[in-house]
Amino acid sequence: GEDVEQSLFLSVREGDSSVINCTYTDSSSTYLYWYKQEPGAGLQLLTYIFSNMDMKQDQRLTVLLNKKDKHLSLRIADTQTGDSAIYFCAEEGGSGGYNKLIFGAGTRLAVHP
Amino acid sequence: NAGVTQTPKFRILKIGQSMTLQCTQDMNHNYMYWYRQDPGMGLKLIYYSVGAGITDKGEVPNGYNVSRSTTEDFPLRLELAAPSQTSVYFCASSYSGAAETYNEQFFGPGTRLTVL
Repeated sequence: GEDVEQSLFLSVREGDSSVINCTYTDSSSTYLYWYKQEPGAGLQLLTYIFSNMDMKQDQRLTVLLNKKDKHLSLRIADTQTGDSAIYFCAEEGGSGGYNKLIFGAGTRLAVHP
Repeated sequence: NAGVTQTPKFRILKIGQSMTLQCTQDMNHNYMYWYRQDPGMGLKLIYYSVGAGITDKGEVPNGYNVSRSTTEDFPLRLELAAPSQTSVYFCASSYSGAAETYNEQFFGPGTRLTVL
């Protein structure tokens, strides 16, 4: 079945790079997503990658996709305290023409001085 | 635009009570979704709608009902609340939800529900 797995916690020092990893199961996903959830708020799309790409860079964010291993990662360069949040990986799933998102459990990123 | 709004923000229910969680979006999105988020778990889809008058079950629909009479509103109804329904509920919307299309979902701030 469809499943998305992430480690639950990551702690980094301010200014260092953060790498959040995710494995997924549905090889037919056309897009893969990273969502960010700040305390007390809903999820917000952070970035996404099209499945025919290996890498996507967007300012401090780098997304790497290894389709063979079904592995997705999010690298945040120069991590700041404002990056402290929960990060969710999501793959596409569903049938009958409907595109639903399958979310991982989320990785809580803590940034300390 | 206000985006996706949800009311109430918090609610405590007794076992067996009923309530409706409200969700409204002002982006003219066709697709709307209800998720629940339990601690340490990813979001689970409860129900979704592809347009006014059309709804369908997600992964965990038992104990819930929905309706979609307008494009803007997608209320979630809990009948006979149970402790297992203690969770944070998120409503979301997207312009498109068709397969193999880019699907950015916009989320509301959530409703924290406790059933005692």
